[in-house]
Amino acid sequence: AQTVTQSQPEMSVQEAETVTLSCTYDTSENNYYLFWYKQPPSRQMILVIRQEAYKQQNATENRFSVNFQKAAKSFSLKISDSQLGDTAMYFCAFSNKNTGNQFYFGTGTSLTVIP
Amino acid sequence: EPEVTQTPSHQVTQMGQEVILRCVPISNHLYFYWYRQILGQKVEFLVSFYNNEISEKSEIFDDQFSVERPDGSNFTLKIRSTKLEDSAMYFCASSGLNPHNEQFFGPGTRLTVL
Repeated sequence: AQTVTQSQPEMSVQEAETVTLSCTYDTSENNYYLFWYKQPPSRQMILVIRQEAYKQQNATENRFSVNFQKAAKSFSLKISDSQLGDTAMYFCAFSNKNTGNQFYFGTGTSLTVIP
Repeated sequence: EPEVTQTPSHQVTQMGQEVILRCVPISNHLYFYWYRQILGQKVEFLVSFYNNEISEKSEIFDDQFSVERPDGSNFTLKIRSTKLEDSAMYFCASSGLNPHNEQFFGPGTRLTVL
């Protein structure tokens, strides 16, 4: 079974600072994808960043980057130069290429950026 | 930018009643999904739909649930006889040719069963 664990229910960061959100997952598969989704208050989830497991290079999207440690089954999200608009719930998700299209989600981390 | 839309945003119903949650996926997408999130818990997969049939479903998606794509644009989730434990946020999602690239989510429908 695939599971995704986010151990930080809530976090806060000062504006312009850097914050790292943790995510671990458990799978016996080798070919999979990992995602971070952001859900601002009262808005839909939007994709922040995506990582393919066979790629060793960590994905980066502007101020957002991941630290993907395949052996440790860890997929953390780093947000640099935090902005007030980064305040949201962040969900880590996993998708297995060979056993279906469903996404497995963690419980989320509520991030507050403090001005 | 195209978005997934869902109606209603909030639905209140009595236990035992039928509800239909509606979604309009992104127009050229091929895969459609329903997920739910009980308050304080994980977002859980319910069902995926491709080529006019269910392609995958979870244990949660029992005989009380059904999905339909009645026309070229809508994608519905029906719960035949609601239970208290069906109270949750229900998210619709859609994806293109490669469902592992990204799933686009709607804003959700909050279902409250009294």
